[in-house]
Amino acid sequence: AQKVTQAQTEISVVEKEDVTLDCVYETRDTTYYLFWYKQPPSGELVFLIRRNSFDEQNEISGRYSWNFQKSTSSFNFTITASQVVDSAVYFCALRMQTGANNLFFGTGTRLTVIP
Amino acid sequence: DTGVSQNPRHKITKRGQNVTFRCDPISEHNRLYWYRQTLGQGPEFLTYFQNEAQLEKSRLLSDRFSAERPKGSFSTLEIQRTEQGDSAMYLCASSLDEGIQGYAEAFFGQGTRLTVV
Repeated sequence: AQKVTQAQTEISVVEKEDVTLDCVYETRDTTYYLFWYKQPPSGELVFLIRRNSFDEQNEISGRYSWNFQKSTSSFNFTITASQVVDSAVYFCALRMQTGANNLFFGTGTRLTVIP
Repeated sequence: DTGVSQNPRHKITKRGQNVTFRCDPISEHNRLYWYRQTLGQGPEFLTYFQNEAQLEKSRLLSDRFSAERPKGSFSTLEIQRTEQGDSAMYLCASSLDEGIQGYAEAFFGQGTRLTVV
């Protein structure tokens, strides 16, 4: 069975602080994809990043960085120098290579950046 | 607008009534997904179409739920005899086939928020 756990329900930081959102996943498949999505108050899911199970390189994109560690089944997301516009709910998701290719989402972490 | 479009954006209905939502995917996308998101939770998979064929249904999709994609383009999701527990955001996503590259990005609509009173 597939499962995504985001243990942090809510996080508040002061603007310009760094913040890391944790994600732990479970799957028996050897080929899978991991994602982070942002859901602002307007409701749409905004794609941030996708990672293949065979590519453990960490990635940095502007103020965002991702740390994928297969050994601990974790895919953590760090925002550096946080801004008020980063306030949203962030979802980690897992997708298999086989089957319907649907996404399995975690329960999300609500990030509030205080000015 | 070439994104995934969902209508209506909001729906309030009385318990026991039937409701129907519509999703217009990105035009060349042959895969279409429905998800449900309840308050404080992540989206949960409901069902999936490959063109007009409904290939997979989640156990969450009770007998009161039915989805169609008659011509392989837009899709409808109908809930019969709505219950208060059906109150949620219903999200639609579409993508191309995986093809030889083994992956195709899914694009989400803005969702239809259903409130059953």
